Order: sequence, then structure tokens, then C-alpha cells
Amino acid sequence: RKEVEQDPGPFNVPEGATVAFNCTYSNSASQSFFWYRQDCRKEPKLLMSVYSSGNEDGRFTAQLNRASQYISLLIRDSKLSDSATYLCVVNPKGYQKVTFGTGTKLQVIP
Amino acid sequence: SQTIHQWPATLVQPVGSPLSLECTVEGTSNPNLYWYRQAAGRGLQLLFYSVGIGQISSEVPQNLSASRPQDRQFILSSKKLLLSDSGFYLCAWSLVGGRTPNYGYTFGSGTRLTVV
Repeated sequence: RKEVEQDPGPFNVPEGATVAFNCTYSNSASQSFFWYRQDCRKEPKLLMSVYSSGNEDGRFTAQLNRASQYISLLIRDSKLSDSATYLCVVNPKGYQKVTFGTGTKLQVIP
Repeated sequence: SQTIHQWPATLVQPVGSPLSLECTVEGTSNPNLYWYRQAAGRGLQLLFYSVGIGQISSEVPQNLSASRPQDRQFILSSKKLLLSDSGFYLCAWSLVGGRTPNYGYTFGSGTRLTVV
């Protein structure tokens, strides 16, 4: 089993829709979780951290489910500019290096 | 504020030629530094990471090497490039320890290497 797994997509959604991505991780001792966004041919950029209690930043909501070992990202009222690849990041062995998922591609359609 | 610089942005090199990519960080001290590679349409592969000057950990066997001659400088090198070395190379930094959940990685803008 991979350390971090994501559905590669693509998820094609109309503008204004709500879309959710899940990411599963294998190491139950993982400590830190993040969502990154990567635009085509650009570097990944931190979108948001994922806190145990869940957290929200505008239209974006991140959740952590330790019992089932997954994190989720919910995007409400999708915009065309949300089209990108979303990378799940998990810190499985401490804080010196993390593991990136291969990403979920989102395409928001007019 | 902290910034990370990576250059060059694009590079086309012939097979068998040497490589040197440089990354520097400003505005922080003793950062963890990382080199990643992303092949076309693929995920990020960690190549090397460093927790201090002269300390390099290699994640995958390959014909690449890394060095950290100064606290905020990280260099990726190769003596002889292979076709399979083509990809998008990304340098990143994080705070040492990074215990709190909101400490992530910050990436440089990347170098797109094409080996011909």
C-alpha cells in the first residue's frame, strides 16, 4: 500500500459546484497534514494545513479523520481559477521530510 | 519574509553533459532543504534533503548528487546527464523541526530540464 494515495481524477465540475477530494495515508503515526495546489508547469503552493478539529479558509474546508486515516478537501462554489492539481501531503515519520500524493486534477468548466 | 530562489528556469542539456542547479533561501536560518523531481504527468519524487551544512540524505540511487556548502545554499549536480534525468526540478525549504501543523514546505519556481 502506498504511503499516500489520491484519486488522480480528473474531476470535471461546473462552475458553482461543490467538489470534494479524499486522500488516504497508511502510517497511523502521521503528525502533520497539508493540501497543496499545483498549477500546470508551476511549483506546488501551500493551500492550507489540516488541523485535527478541521479548518476552513473561505470556500475551502479541510478535514482529518484519524480513525479511517484520510484527509479531505472540500471546495464550495467552484471557480474557473480553482482548476489545478491538488496534492495531499502527509508527514509520516517526523518533521524532516514529508510524503506527497500524486495529486488530484480538478477542471472547473464554464 | 522568507524567499527561495532557484535557477535557471529552463535548461536544455545534451546527454553526458554535467549539471549544476542552485537554490538559495533568504530570510531564515538553518532551514531544512530539499530537492524534488517531477517527471511529466507524475508526482513529486524526493531526491535529497539536508538538515544542515554538509549533511545530505539521498532518497533514491541515481547519478545525481547534492551539496550544501552554506546554510542557505543547496546545489544539485550531475557529472553525466542521462535522458531519464529530464524533468521538473524543485527546491524547497521548511523550518527545522516543523512540529506545528501549519509549517509546510515552500518551493522555488523550479527548473525544467530537458536532456537531449
